[in-house]
Amino acid sequence: EVQLVESGGGLVQPGGSLRLSCAASGFTFSSYAMHWVRQAPGKGLEYVSVISGNGGSTYYANSVKGRFTISRDNSKNTLYLQMGSLSAEDMAVYYCVRGLVPAGRAFDIWGQGTMVTVSS
Amino acid sequence: DIVLTQSPGTLSLSPGERATLSCRASQSVTSSYLAWYQQKPGQAPRLLIYGASSRATGIPDRFSGSGSGTDFTFTISRLEPEDFAVYYCQQYSSSPVTFGPGTKLEIK
Repeated sequence: EVQLVESGGGLVQPGGSLRLSCAASGFTFSSYAMHWVRQAPGKGLEYVSVISGNGGSTYYANSVKGRFTISRDNSKNTLYLQMGSLSAEDMAVYYCVRGLVPAGRAFDIWGQGTMVTVSS
Repeated sequence: DIVLTQSPGTLSLSPGERATLSCRASQSVTSSYLAWYQQKPGQAPRLLIYGASSRATGIPDRFSGSGSGTDFTFTISRLEPEDFAVYYCQQYSSSPVTFGPGTKLEIK
């Protein structure tokens, strides 16, 4: 079964840092670009970041550029999102997602999401 | 960035009725790189349609999509009780990927 399982969310103070992880299974992880999409409470979906299959190429939304770093460990089938300088605007459920095809950006597999709460 | 506008914001219908949702883009979505997702409360979104009109694996044929350029339509031919949810369109023809604000489909 193709599956993505996020972890690492929680409560963090404004200005703090957090690292999210996403464990992938059931497919050839290294063949797929992987993405993060977030959803603030009661709001819509916002695209955050993508990393290519070999990790050599990344892209960030303007809202997180310079504060977030996406990475992957293909030997562990795991995707990461290192988040820094967090503010209330970053509070959201963060979803790890896979593209429909290796380089695609229609997202056919979603994790269950991990909640990031930014509060003092 | 391509801005997507969805209408209506809320659609109230009864089971068995036909639902028609609209997604309009601020610029042309090339190669019909438009997708539709369903999201139920407390769940992750689920891909229904990609490439404007192709159903994802396992999606019933009562769900369909059409359109090109800047105007796209999503249709549920005959509503089932489990179809009441929020629906999002997404364009992936240019970076950044963007999503519409969603249409809430509620039971009348």
